Amino acid sequence: AQSVTQLGSHVSVSEGALVLLRCNYSSSVPPYLFWYVQYPNQGLQLLLKYTSAATLVKGINGFEAEFKKSETSFHLTKPSAHMRDAAEYFCAVIHSGSARQLTFGSGTQLTVLP
Amino acid sequence: KAGVTQTPRYLIKTRGQQVTLSCSPISGHRSVSWYQQTPGQGLQFLFEYFSETQRNKGNFPGRFSGRQFSNSRSEMNVSTLELGDSALYLCASRLGQGALETQYFGPGTRLLVL
Repeated sequence: AQSVTQLGSHVSVSEGALVLLRCNYSSSVPPYLFWYVQYPNQGLQLLLKYTSAATLVKGINGFEAEFKKSETSFHLTKPSAHMRDAAEYFCAVIHSGSARQLTFGSGTQLTVLP
Repeated sequence: KAGVTQTPRYLIKTRGQQVTLSCSPISGHRSVSWYQQTPGQGLQFLFEYFSETQRNKGNFPGRFSGRQFSNSRSEMNVSTLELGDSALYLCASRLGQGALETQYFGPGTRLLVL
């Protein structure tokens, strides 16, 4: 079964600092991986997705993620945090085979300090 | 295009009652998935409908059911509500069932069971 693990349920950074949110996957086959963001009282918004076309994936709002097979990781980064980045971030993997539902990690709450 | 809409946005019920939640997908999208989000269990897949047929089902009891209409709108029903059913219920739509097709999420329905 495919799954993802997010290390760190809470991450705090200063405005302007690097954002690094960690995600490791467990999959017996090359996975499709996603990062979603959830702002308070809203649904989920797709930031980026890995489709095996390129290991470095650029998303919206200045975020990017790098797929590293050797480390089974898909960490999310942003060079400079903004106050508006404060939200909860979810890493997700899509099931292979006939099932096509997303399996989410437990989420990381990002706080941006002024 | 209008996004995914969910009604109602907030709901309060008592134990033993039943509830019906509604989801209208993005125009042209034929797949609708439902997820339950709780602080303890995180985001969990409930079921997916495509062309009025349930295609996948998560690990939830039979009290949770759903359906999809010919216009792709979907409803989910929870019977004999329990306190543990208090959650944010998210609906997501996508064009088809491709693994890489982006799932667009609605704002959710927040259900409180007293």
